[in-house]
Amino acid sequence: ETGVTQSPTHLIKTRGQQVTLRCSSQSGHNTVSWYQQALGQGPQFIFQYYREEENGRGNFPPRFSGLQFPNYSSELNVNALELDDSALYLCASSSPKKGTGDEKLFFGSGTQLSVL
Amino acid sequence: AQRVTQPEKLLSVFKGAPVELKCNYSYSGSPELFWYVQYSRQRLQLLLRHISRESIKGFTADLNKGETSFHLKKPFAQEEDSAMYYCALKQGAQKLVFGQGTRLTINP
Repeated sequence: ETGVTQSPTHLIKTRGQQVTLRCSSQSGHNTVSWYQQALGQGPQFIFQYYREEENGRGNFPPRFSGLQFPNYSSELNVNALELDDSALYLCASSSPKKGTGDEKLFFGSGTQLSVL
Repeated sequence: AQRVTQPEKLLSVFKGAPVELKCNYSYSGSPELFWYVQYSRQRLQLLLRHISRESIKGFTADLNKGETSFHLKKPFAQEEDSAMYYCALKQGAQKLVFGQGTRLTINP
């Protein structure tokens, strides 16, 4: 069983640029969630994709957008980068069963984004 | 607003001593709570969830609705328990709200 993989592992951008982060979900998982983890903080929910549709969004501005592909892999796009966007971006896949509350997330290792 | 609070950023105990990592939450409804753990150089992973009422690696956590707490406990700490621990609350069907984490260090 292949785990969640994210690319790239590290990225340096300058303010105002755009960035795309990629995630391959664990085999058999149809749901992908993205989290932002600032230094010294817990992960903060950005959004979730289920079967190629956005299925919930956290308190992030529209310049944070995403995509999910038919193979359930996903991209996180951030436009007009700001210094505060510097963080670890985590992707997590799951295959929740309805009615069970089974929200076990399998996390990737993350992409460390630095905005200068 | 739903919130998870882990009051201790750092916790250090000796091997063999009891461990308790605190977690308090605010949620208007029936909460679903989890503990996630991140060992050194490993990815974040689920440790346990309250609905399963399970013991994993000797850890247990009991949901106390009166005190709105979900503390993680282990009677005898081991060195391999050293890690970053996050308490998380399920909000709606989609997202988890995480606390800021507690770094647990077990001293030999």
